[in-house]
Amino acid sequence: DTAVSQTPKYLVTQMGNDKSIKCEQNLGHDTMYWYKQDSKKFLKIMFSYNNKELIINETVPNRFSPKSPDKAHLNLHINSLELGDSAVYFCASSQDSVNYGYTFGSGTRLTVV
Amino acid sequence: AQSVTQLDSQVPVFEEAPVELRCNYSSSVSVYLFWYVQYPNQGLQLLLKYLSGSTLVKGINGFEAEFNKSQTSFHLRKPSVHISDTAEYFCAVSDWGGSYIPTFGRGTSLIVHP
Repeated sequence: DTAVSQTPKYLVTQMGNDKSIKCEQNLGHDTMYWYKQDSKKFLKIMFSYNNKELIINETVPNRFSPKSPDKAHLNLHINSLELGDSAVYFCASSQDSVNYGYTFGSGTRLTVV
Repeated sequence: AQSVTQLDSQVPVFEEAPVELRCNYSSSVSVYLFWYVQYPNQGLQLLLKYLSGSTLVKGINGFEAEFNKSQTSFHLRKPSVHISDTAEYFCAVSDWGGSYIPTFGRGTSLIVHP
């Protein structure tokens, strides 16, 4: 009965590879997000989707592409991985685009070697 | 655009002592304010939020925070901490009426010693 679930929890891959991270929420929320947390724990918004529509796309390399097949899912695909992409990626959701508080997934720790 | 400053990167405290984690923000409009907790190897969990109304808000696990508009602060307090409160705490602010995407502070590591 996990509210926001991400897979995989850990991902170790070589530079240049392409990888995906999946996120699903069973809360009936309309808005989903991807955040990146760096090694100093700084959290930065990457993308936001509301009802499958992209509403926020921060300055993220275009190697990162979000995909939302329905409002319960928001996946993150990363092409040509670089060392600097190593971080923890968090998916989150909120009831709608007005922020009354997020529910976060447990994170995906991506290590690029 | 809003910004958040968490003044202490680390706060060590003994078990059963009171604690205050400080958060100051800047914004040109009204704001929503949040505190989140992140336990090791986990996602962030919402502790409490201020949207409007009473400036003293109570959250989970015995935490509370007070919104002070004149000092643009939203400090988090707990009268008596437990070992299990050891975690990273993040303050966040959203502009009311804007994108609502929150800006997070850099986090404060609360370390509770026995």
